[in-house]
Parts: sequence; structure tokens; C-alpha cells
Amino acid sequence: QSALIQPASVSGSPGQSITISCTGSSSDIGIYNYVSWYQQHPGRAPKLMIYDVSNRPSGVSDRFSGSKSGNTASLIISGLQAEDEANYYCSSYTPTTPVVFGGGTSLAVL
Amino acid sequence: EVHLVQSGAEVKKPGDSLKISCKASGYSFSTSYIGWVRQMPGTGLEWMGMIWPDDSQTIYSPSFQGQVTISADKSMATAYLQWTSLEASDSAIYYCVRRVKGTDAVYFDSWGQGTLVTVSS
Repeated sequence: QSALIQPASVSGSPGQSITISCTGSSSDIGIYNYVSWYQQHPGRAPKLMIYDVSNRPSGVSDRFSGSKSGNTASLIISGLQAEDEANYYCSSYTPTTPVVFGGGTSLAVL
Repeated sequence: EVHLVQSGAEVKKPGDSLKISCKASGYSFSTSYIGWVRQMPGTGLEWMGMIWPDDSQTIYSPSFQGQVTISADKSMATAYLQWTSLEASDSAIYYCVRRVKGTDAVYFDSWGQGTLVTVSS
């Protein structure tokens, strides 16, 4: 069982906005702003999409944004496109291990 | 441009030893942490550990401490992940990753293509 809890799947239609949640605890997400999000297409390596809760690496579309409230972080994808269909993983710093991943969320673009 | 190129797929038997590699290019290998992430079939990501190639200081996830060995050869700009006695449960894709510099957080901005390890009798 992952320390960070994500919904198994979410879906949306092209052009819509969706939110993927990542719930941790007061020992990780709740006190550290070290949350990141990775996108993984089938058969491919993951790609860093968001770091430090809400920052985008160079080259990542501004349709991707991140936020945090309490022990829960969120990835928001606006203007959903077919190419966004992928698995998404959150991660956070924790005191016991410098990084832990969520279980992943499968995004379907209907 | 940063590139992490991993060694090819492996098929091994339980009890075999194995060492897979990750050749880095496009940046100063010695002064960025490089590590490994496991992805078991159909499941999520697990951070295994990482190494500072300049002095070979390693940090392991508690889940993998004592189970694998991470090493690096800075003259070859290559990192390694090694097992002395494989088990069927080690079957997975293993990604090498470069840690983002300049932050206390642990993020990975570059990933290798993955090495599929299959352990079966």
C-alpha cells in the first residue's frame, strides 16, 4: 500500500478540466512543499510534469498545474487533449525516506 | 541534452546474480545524484536508492536496503544496480533517474528507457 493515496482512475472529455488528487499525511504533504507529479504513457518512462507543488519544468504545457491544501495535493489538467491519456503519479518527501510515490492514476480521455 | 541509456533486457533464474547499467551523458556525471526506480508489472513506481558519483555515497530506501547494491564509475559516467541472488519477485522494469539539483527535495528530471528484468525458473 502506497503512503500517498491516489484515485485509481479519472476520466474527462476533450476540452474539459480534470483534477487528480494525492492524499498523504501531516508528516509528508501536510508540512513539506516537496510534491511532484509524473506522467507515464504506456511503454514509456515517466516524465516530470510538476515539482515543488506547482512549478512546471521547462517545456511542460501550461495546461498542467498543481496545488496543495492540507494533506492533499492536486494535479489539474485543463483543456484536456487525447495525448494527455496516461498514468499520473504523485510523489512527496517524507522524513523516513526522501521520496515516496503514490499508487498512480489512470487518466482516460473519452 | 541529458541522456541516460540503460543496458538491455535480462532473463535470469532464481539465485542468479545480475548487474545492470546506466550510461549518462550531457551533464557533469560526478555532481548529480543518480538513482534507480522499480516498476513491477502493472503497478506503480518505487524509489530504490541513489548515489553521489563523486564519492560513491549512497542512500537507500528502507525497503531496498540490503537487497541491492548501487554503485557508480565516474570515469565511465555509468551507474549500476546489482543483485547477488535474484528472486522471482525482482521481476520488474528498472529505471535509472537523475535527481534535480538545487533543491532539498528529490525529483527526477531525466529517466533512462528502462531495463526489463525477468526472473523465472
